[in-house]
Amino acid sequence: GQSLEQPSEVTAVEGAIVQINCTYQTSGFYGLSWYQQHDGGAPTFLSYNALDGLEETGRFSSFLSRSDSYGYLLLQELQMKDSASYFCAVTLLPPGSARQLTFGSGTQLTVLP
Amino acid sequence: GAVVSQHPSRVICKSGTSVKIECRSLDFQATTMFWYRQFPKQSLMLMATSNEGSKATYEQGVEKDKFLINHASLTLSTLTVTSAHPEDSSFYICSARRAEFYEQYFGPGTRLTVT
Repeated sequence: GQSLEQPSEVTAVEGAIVQINCTYQTSGFYGLSWYQQHDGGAPTFLSYNALDGLEETGRFSSFLSRSDSYGYLLLQELQMKDSASYFCAVTLLPPGSARQLTFGSGTQLTVLP
Repeated sequence: GAVVSQHPSRVICKSGTSVKIECRSLDFQATTMFWYRQFPKQSLMLMATSNEGSKATYEQGVEKDKFLINHASLTLSTLTVTSAHPEDSSFYICSARRAEFYEQYFGPGTRLTVT
């Protein structure tokens, strides 16, 4: 089966840096994505890593190590509006099927003033 | 670009009735659409994958006769919850993907409450 592990909650203050880790055990791994979801809203895409290394997009960066089955999302210069749930998701490539996303359980980030 | 809409955003129905939820890709053609269910404070669970013009592929444990999915065109997929029960109350989210890209674009979700 597929499994993704990420912390359930993280708390940090405005302006700080926070790292949300994700480890996975899957078959047919194609890439690791990160999504942000505010309460009652839809997930919005943040980043995607298919290759090892760091991808930077503004205040957010994402890292992947395929050999370690591990990735993280790094949020810098935290703002109050960053308070949300963050999901890592593995893109699978099952034979004969469309690429699917399997989501982790989500990390609730709370940013304090 | 890459906007996905869902209708309705909220629906309340009585137990035993059926509810249809629409998912539309507004500015692109979606060869594949996905339907997820999310319970409060939990992750998104994939229910089914649908490709335009073919039958949906359901995940294990999802009743295909209860959750009817139709993907009749490249911009529209529908999910019908038949004979709804209170335990079907949940947040239903669709997503759509262009054939050549990995990224899924999510709709705003539909909050279903079955009384």
